[in-house]
Amino acid sequence: QQQVKQSPQSLIVQKGGISIINCAYENTAFDYFPWYQQFPGKGPALLIAIRPDVSEKKEGRFTISFNKSAKQFSLHIMDSQPGDSATYFCAASKGTDKLIFGTGTRLQVFP
Amino acid sequence: NAGVMQNPRHLVRRRGQEARLRCSPMKGHSHVYWYRQLPEEGLKFMVYLQKENIIDESGMPKERFSAEFPKEGPSILRIQQVVRGDSAAYFCASSPQTGRTEAFFGQGTRLTVV
Repeated sequence: QQQVKQSPQSLIVQKGGISIINCAYENTAFDYFPWYQQFPGKGPALLIAIRPDVSEKKEGRFTISFNKSAKQFSLHIMDSQPGDSATYFCAASKGTDKLIFGTGTRLQVFP
Repeated sequence: NAGVMQNPRHLVRRRGQEARLRCSPMKGHSHVYWYRQLPEEGLKFMVYLQKENIIDESGMPKERFSAEFPKEGPSILRIQQVVRGDSAAYFCASSPQTGRTEAFFGQGTRLTVV
């Protein structure tokens, strides 16, 4: 019940395209859903996050869509750029509890 | 405002030695979380601490691993008698005193056991 399932494992997108990464959770007590971006050899960087009282949040080219009834949320990267090539992790938590991470998606954006 | 500081960035230990990993949270943050990342894998929770208290250690191996966050100074993750399987990247994250789970990560310590 603590799992967060993430797909796809890897994603190849052409420059200017839309990258979509999906996550699903089971624990309905989760109330915080962040996305992290990680470059090789670096720590995860908080990209964008959402709470379950909204269905969508947009920051620049990054959008989280949240479907509470389906217990799913997704990250959309519009106008994908080569600099977006990284590994993306979704996560979920309840209150101040630990973050439960998905298994990650390696995104490659080709020029 | 400096970010989460971890040191050392790289640590090499022989089997059987002790490894000490340090984490200084962001200014004003009193919640510290440690995660472990194996190569090509996700982040696995290890332990959650507040000043002088262990809140959740459900992800910590029962033996050889310990963590502390003293009143003064950084949080320490200690691994005694390291084995090859301990080789991984260890990340620390911190959250503000308000308890929001907006966790910010350090750059990690990459432990190699030879």
